[in-house]
Amino acid sequence: QKEVEQDPGPLSVPEGAIVSLNCTYSNSAFQYFMWYRQYSRKGPELLMYTYSSGNKEDGRFTAQVDKSSKYISLFIRDSQPSDSATYLCAMKGTGNQFYFGTGTSLTVIP
Amino acid sequence: KAGVTQTPRYLIKTRGQQVTLSCSPISGHRSVSWYQQTPGQGLQFLFEYFSETQRNKGNFPGRFSGRQFSNSRSEMNVSTLELGDSALYLCASSRWGQGDEKLFFGSGTQLSVL
Repeated sequence: QKEVEQDPGPLSVPEGAIVSLNCTYSNSAFQYFMWYRQYSRKGPELLMYTYSSGNKEDGRFTAQVDKSSKYISLFIRDSQPSDSATYLCAMKGTGNQFYFGTGTSLTVIP
Repeated sequence: KAGVTQTPRYLIKTRGQQVTLSCSPISGHRSVSWYQQTPGQGLQFLFEYFSETQRNKGNFPGRFSGRQFSNSRSEMNVSTLELGDSALYLCASSRWGQGDEKLFFGSGTQLSVL
């Protein structure tokens, strides 16, 4: 079983829709949770960072962590064509290694 | 503040050659990690350095090696290139061990092996 599971999509939504992206994980020691956005042929860009459980909001983006279910989500409100990218979840415990999902490809159609 | 800088941006090599990729981390970051990204496998961890010491290593053959210098800049080397080594190689830096767990990536080096 992989440490982190992420549905690869692809996901296609109309502009203005609410997008929900999810990851599940198996290691209960994970404490730090991140979402990255990656445009084609670019490096991943840190979008959201959360420590432990709870919600965090930044503009149109909301990150949720449910440690009891080992489930994290990223919500994008009022999606824009510029949000079209691959979204990667990442997580880390107290060790020095980060674990990544395989990424979900999102296309927002104008 | 400058981000993570990787050079070169693109590389084309032939099988059997070797290649060296360079990474300059964000100022103040002492941890540098390297990842291989391919469409089929996603991000695969290669190794991580902290203060010139390799702290962690992924499951890659010995052809893949790295090092870190006293100024935290890092290089990775791939010897005897194979077609399957074609990938985007990403460097990331963090302040892990310095109270901050965020990981910041460079734009990557796109390596094509012909």
